[in-house]
Amino acid sequence: EAQVTQNPRYLITVTGKKLTVTCSQNMNHEYMSWYRQDPGLGLRQIYYSMNVEVTDKGDVPEGYKVSRKEKRNFPLILESPSPNQTSLYFCASSLLPGQGTDTQYFGPGTRLTVL
Amino acid sequence: GQNIDQPTEMTATEGAIVQINCTYQTSGFNGLFWYQQHAGEAPTFLSYNVLDGLEEKGRFSSFLSRSKGYSYLLLKELQMKDSASYLCAVMDSNYQLIWGAGTKLIIKP
Repeated sequence: EAQVTQNPRYLITVTGKKLTVTCSQNMNHEYMSWYRQDPGLGLRQIYYSMNVEVTDKGDVPEGYKVSRKEKRNFPLILESPSPNQTSLYFCASSLLPGQGTDTQYFGPGTRLTVL
Repeated sequence: GQNIDQPTEMTATEGAIVQINCTYQTSGFNGLFWYQQHAGEAPTFLSYNVLDGLEEKGRFSSFLSRSKGYSYLLLKELQMKDSASYLCAVMDSNYQLIWGAGTKLIIKP
C-alpha cells in the first residue's frame, strides 16, 4: 500500500530536549516536505527536498533541521524545542512537479506539545 | 511577498452547489492544488491545475486563470460528508508550496 508514515503520532516533551520526528514513504518519490499547521494559519512549509542530499528552506525553517540521506526518509529534527513549536506536523511526498501526477501524499500527522 | 487568499468560512445546504474562491500572488507558478481536510486528519488531494480552464472530477471541478491569479473549487450535489476545510496551494518557481489558510465549509441539512 502506498503510504507516508510518521512517528511518533503524539509527543509531549519539555523545552530544550532534542527530538526527531521520522517520515518515510514507499512510493519512490523525489519531493518531500515538512509542514506545520496552526489554527488560523493553515499549512506552512518548514523544509522541502527535491531529492537525496538536496534540501531547501520553506516559510518557517527557524528552529528546525532536516536531512535527506535516503530517498525514502526525511526526518525532522528539533535541536532545542520551544513552546512556540507546539503544533500539528505533517510530512508529505510526491513526484517532482511536471512528472505526471502532482498529488502530494500526506502522512497522518504528529501532534507535538512542548512544555 | 507571497500570498494566498481564500474565505475563512462558508455555509451551504445539502444538495446545493458551492464555489470556493482562491486568489494568489506568488513568485512564479508551477501549478495550483486543492485539498480537502477533515478536522484532525491529513489533507487529501482533490485537484491540480497548471493550465487555464476547468478540470472536472465527478462532483468536484476546479478552475484556473493564471492571468488573474485566480482559481475556484466548485462542489456540486453537496453531501454532509463534504463538511471540511478546503485548502488552496500554489507551487512557486522554486517548487515551494505556498498554502492558503483554508476555507471551512459547513453543510446544513
